[in-house]
Formats: sequence, structure tokens, C-alpha cells
Amino acid sequence: TQLLEQSPQFLSIQEGENLTVYCNSSSVFSSLQWYRQEPGEGPVLLVTVVTGGEVKKLKRLTFQFGDARKDSSLHITAAQPGDTGLYLCAGASGRGSTLGRLYFGRGTQLTVWP
Amino acid sequence: GAGVSQTPSNKVTEKGKYVELRCDPISGHTALYWYRQSLGQGPEFLIYFQGTGAADDSGLPNDRFFAVRPEGSVSTLKIQRTERGDSAVYLCASSLGGPPGAPLHFGNGTRLTVT
Repeated sequence: TQLLEQSPQFLSIQEGENLTVYCNSSSVFSSLQWYRQEPGEGPVLLVTVVTGGEVKKLKRLTFQFGDARKDSSLHITAAQPGDTGLYLCAGASGRGSTLGRLYFGRGTQLTVWP
Repeated sequence: GAGVSQTPSNKVTEKGKYVELRCDPISGHTALYWYRQSLGQGPEFLIYFQGTGAADDSGLPNDRFFAVRPEGSVSTLKIQRTERGDSAVYLCASSLGGPPGAPLHFGNGTRLTVT
């Protein structure tokens, strides 16, 4: 059972289109991170959101943390082929014995065609 | 600067054999993490070190798995009596300072295949 559910699992779009990826849970997290992973490489951190309702922008990427800190979304504007990759969300409980643990979703595999 | 280095990048072993996977974290990073990523899945937590000690090893699937970090830098993940189900990419990450909140820097992983 995944603590974090990501949707869609696969997304294939044309260059220039907009898209949104969702990350949902029934659990509350102290923070949530988004990573991008390319084949044969480890995940690379894109952003960390901490406050409920927080919105962070990174160029064409907009990240939002839900008010209740149970869900998050990633919106990409005018996608480019270089955005292709596996997008992973990961939540931290931030307390107790699981302080050091991140719970990852299965990821959304994004392919952007020229 | 140098990132997290994992060796070997690929390891093929026979069922029942013993393997060691090595992780060299970023210099000065006190926290070190091991995750396992199976095909089509997100990374799954195995163990977290703060300095030399394992602060949380509750993600290790069973007693065939063991990890050490004797000098607070390099870490080795050891798997005894490997099984085909152990096949996965084993990812190591380090962070400057401990959780929560410190960003993780991942290596490129060791792809373990058990035949």
C-alpha cells in the first residue's frame, strides 16, 4: 500500500502544452518534496513545501501544498522535451521514530514530444 | 563538487550469494540514507544514519540486510543469501544536517540483479 498516491502514472504530451500532476494521501506530512528522476540516475530535488497552502514557483513549474498538508500538485506551463522524466513526490512525517524517513509515491512518467 | 558516489553501478549475482554495496556521501554530510527502488515504484526507505549510528533501521526488510557506517562517512549495505526478490536499484543519499527538512542528495544507485 502506497502512502502517497500519484496521478496520472503516465503522461504523454506535445511540446507547449500545460499539465498538472497530483500527489494525494490520507496522512498529514510536515513537509513534502518533489523530485525529478532520469533513467540511470538518482532523484534530484526540485522543491520542498512546508506550509499548508504554500505555493512555490520554479520557472515554468508551480508547486502547491494542500491546506491540510495531505496533498500536493505540480503544474508545468508550456512543457518542453527537457521536462521529460519521472516526477516523484515524497512526504516527511517530521517527527518521532520516522523522522529521517521520506515516503515516496510511485511517480508520474512524463514524456514531452517535440 | 563531487556528488554522492555509489559502487558498483551494476552488480549481477547468483541466488544465495553475499553482496556489498558501497556509498561515498558528499564530504561533510552527516546524515546518510539507503533506499531501494524496484521497477515501476518509487524509492522505499531502508535505513538512515546520523553520524556512525543507525538512527532508524526499521525499513530493512529482514535480517539478511545490514548496513554500516563505521567512521561516519562511507557506508556499506550488505545483503546475505541474496534472493531474486532483492533485485532492484539501491539508492544512497546524504544530507548536510539531519531531518526534517535537509535536502537529500542522491547517488545514481547500484542496480542489483539476482539470477
